[in-house]
Amino acid sequence: NAGVTQTPKFRVLKTGQSMTLLCAQDMNHEYMYWYRQDPGMGLRLIHYSVGEGTTAKGEVPDGYNVSRLKKQNFLLGLESAAPSQTSVYFCASSYSTAGGGETQYFGPGTRLLVL
Amino acid sequence: AQSVTQLDSQVPVFEEAPVELRCNYSSSVSVYLFWYVQYPNQGLQLLLKYLSGSTLVKGINGFEAEFNKSQTSFHLRKPSVHISDTAEYFCAEPPGNTGKLIFGQGTTLQVKP
Repeated sequence: NAGVTQTPKFRVLKTGQSMTLLCAQDMNHEYMYWYRQDPGMGLRLIHYSVGEGTTAKGEVPDGYNVSRLKKQNFLLGLESAAPSQTSVYFCASSYSTAGGGETQYFGPGTRLLVL
Repeated sequence: AQSVTQLDSQVPVFEEAPVELRCNYSSSVSVYLFWYVQYPNQGLQLLLKYLSGSTLVKGINGFEAEFNKSQTSFHLRKPSVHISDTAEYFCAEPPGNTGKLIFGQGTTLQVKP
């Protein structure tokens, strides 16, 4: 069981470039999430998915897009990167909703630097 | 809007001393609460969670937390910390049954020898 994996681990982009972050989970979880972590701000939810083929906006969705074509994968895209998107990105998954007490399982993170 | 407030951004403490990390939540409805820990250069992992029942919740690595509805608090405690407890700790609450979690700003616990 690999749990939640993220690719890549680290990336440097120039302003205006695009990239896709890949998250994969092997726990057959329905729910998946993308967060960003910035100093002093905790984790903020970007987008999430409650099942294959569904996505929804979180707290800070602007500048990002997501897709969940397969249950085990959740992709986060940056179409035109900006320096404000420099952050550490975490993917998480859960069997069901945290509103029902479910635990979220996190990946190791992707560090993104936008120059 | 619901919010989670962690009252201390950094808590320095000597090894084997007790520690309390403070968390206040805002929800007035049925409450679930979580504490997650993030060790350096790693993702978050669950430390403990309150669902219902006993207000004292025990977690991994000797940590425990007490749910206090009247004070809307969920403070995390450990009677004797180790160097290996050095990490960032996050309190979190789900805003209803939406699938989301709201995280506090995080508290960095620095355990000194």
